[in-house]
Amino acid sequence: ETGVTQTPRHLVMGMTNKKSLKCEQHLGHNAMYWYKQSAKKPLELMFVYNFKEQTENNSVPSRFSPECPNSSHLFLHLHTLQPEDSALYLCASSQEMDRERYEQYFGPGTRLTVT
Amino acid sequence: AQSVAQPEDQVNVAEGNPLTVKCTYSVSGNPYLFWYVQYPNRGLQFLLKYITGDNLVKGSYGFEAEFNKSQTSFHLKKPSALVSDSALYFCAVRDPTGGSYIPTFGRGTSLIVHP
Repeated sequence: ETGVTQTPRHLVMGMTNKKSLKCEQHLGHNAMYWYKQSAKKPLELMFVYNFKEQTENNSVPSRFSPECPNSSHLFLHLHTLQPEDSALYLCASSQEMDRERYEQYFGPGTRLTVT
Repeated sequence: AQSVAQPEDQVNVAEGNPLTVKCTYSVSGNPYLFWYVQYPNRGLQFLLKYITGDNLVKGSYGFEAEFNKSQTSFHLKKPSALVSDSALYFCAVRDPTGGSYIPTFGRGTSLIVHP
């Protein structure tokens, strides 16, 4: 397995469900990110973890809860979502402290539909 | 503060013709600049970057970009477009002097290459 993987690729959930998105990076990077991509909207940064510490929380509603148990894994726990939360959720990683490797590598995304 | 603008929502070009996707930026110091491409139902894929050195940088799939400090631009170019280049293109900027290592993404430009 190489690069950044995300599971599941597709998720349909009701507004009262609880689910989790998983991201794993196999690149030895030390920073991981969650982004939300909605149709006709800019890419929205949600959370950033650097060396497992959360360094950014971009005013995200509490119904989204991130978890970073180690530098290779990132989770996004979801509960009581709203229909407007339907979007493509992208995970990314990068290597901080090395400007030659600052580019981000993205996973394929999880297409979330809230019904 | 850092910002990036992609002034065109969509660019249309005929196959075999040269293509340009525009990007301008604003940072307080010297920028780190990136281009990414997103194919349908996929994550963003890194194309190329400018950190320092030569103003003309070459990347994947025959793409190149020119850093122009006086015009604060970093336009993406390719000498001969392919239908398979049709995708969504994102420019991103990081300001290493701004105290944050989080990149800012443009809104994206949809490139359509006609056969």
